[in-house]
Amino acid sequence: QVQLQQSGAELVKPGTSVKLSCKASGYTFTSNHMNWIKQTTGQGLEWIGIINPGSGGTSYNVKFKGKATLTVDKSSSTAFMQLSSLTPEDSAVYYCARGGGEQGFAYWGQGTLVTVSS
Amino acid sequence: DIQMTQAPSSLPASLGDRVTITCRASQDIGNYLRWFQQKPGKSPRLMIYGATNLAAGVPSRFSGSRSGSDYSLTISSLESEDMADYYCLQSKESPLTFGSGTKLEIK
Repeated sequence: QVQLQQSGAELVKPGTSVKLSCKASGYTFTSNHMNWIKQTTGQGLEWIGIINPGSGGTSYNVKFKGKATLTVDKSSSTAFMQLSSLTPEDSAVYYCARGGGEQGFAYWGQGTLVTVSS
Repeated sequence: DIQMTQAPSSLPASLGDRVTITCRASQDIGNYLRWFQQKPGKSPRLMIYGATNLAAGVPSRFSGSRSGSDYSLTISSLESEDMADYYCLQSKESPLTFGSGTKLEIK
């Protein structure tokens, strides 16, 4: 069965970076794009961007360009999102969600809570 | 960016009620519209894709419809397990955008 296992909660200091992971299993990793989504109480759900694990090609929401960097490691079927120059506004739950036509967004990771605080 | 205006933000309802949540798209999105259910502390669950298609495992009391730029999620007879937040998502154009959410709660 398809599973997306995300890394654990992070408590990080302002101005630093953090790298989140999303390990896929139960399907061919390179067959489906991977989306990343941010959820906060105030802003709701925001789409950050998408990566094609096969080619490494990416597309970002302009709002998150320079903030988020999406990469993959095909050997471990893992997608990564690095968030840089963190501020308290980056505190949120971040999800990965599998793309792919009609079944796009049918599978989500459990989310990673990032807290930015000094 | 395409704006998805979702209403209502909160919907008190009784068990057995028929309830409808709506998203209006600021531009044409065709049928590139999904609905999600989210319970506290959980990831969103896909309920409807392609505006009207029920996702796998979703009870038949859920349905999706479209009228022009208005998209609706209807629950025909509310059950206690349906109490949750609901969100729409357009995937016609990048950036993908979500509605602001509807909290469905017991009256």
